[in-house]
Amino acid sequence: EVQLVESGGGLVQPGGSLRLSCAASGFTFSRNWMSWVRQAPGKGLEWVANIKEDGSEKYYVDSVKGRFTISRDNAKKSVYLQMNSLRVEDTAVYYCTGGWVWGKGTTVTVSS
Amino acid sequence: DMQMTQSPSSLSASVGDRVTITCRASQGISNYLAWYQQKPGKVPQLLIYAASTLQSGVPSRFSGSGSGTDFTLTISSLQPEDVATYYCQKYNSGPATFGPGTKVDIK
Repeated sequence: EVQLVESGGGLVQPGGSLRLSCAASGFTFSRNWMSWVRQAPGKGLEWVANIKEDGSEKYYVDSVKGRFTISRDNAKKSVYLQMNSLRVEDTAVYYCTGGWVWGKGTTVTVSS
Repeated sequence: DMQMTQSPSSLSASVGDRVTITCRASQGISNYLAWYQQKPGKVPQLLIYAASTLQSGVPSRFSGSGSGTDFTLTISSLQPEDVATYYCQKYNSGPATFGPGTKVDIK
């Protein structure tokens, strides 16, 4: 079965850090760009970051540049999002996506 | 930075109506454009990729067209189960920006 499974979400205080993970199965992970997309409560979809098949190119939405880092491990068929200096406005469901496949999302709540 | 816009932001139509949603890219993206449908509380579902290719399993009443900067999603005969928010997304290279979404409901 083709699937992406995210993990690592939770409740964190402003200024804190979280590391999201996404494990892929059932498709050729190493041949696909991978992205993180988020959706704040009641808001639209926002692309956050993506990474090329071999990890040589990475892009970020302006609001997370310098705070978030995307990475991947093709041997483990996994992609990661290291989130530092978290803000209240980073509160959202975070989806992992690639090869037209989406995970079910993991919830990140930033609150004191 | 590349921007994606959509119009209208919302619409209300009757069952059986033809519905058209427009997406515009601030720079040319060839046909690297996808359309998603998202129902409340659900994961987005891919409808169309490469601007006009229907994803397997998607009803044929959905169609897409366009190239370059201007794209259209058409629902030929709106059904009650089509109530959702629709998003376009560019995926040529670099940032994979989404449009702001179009909320569709039944009149």
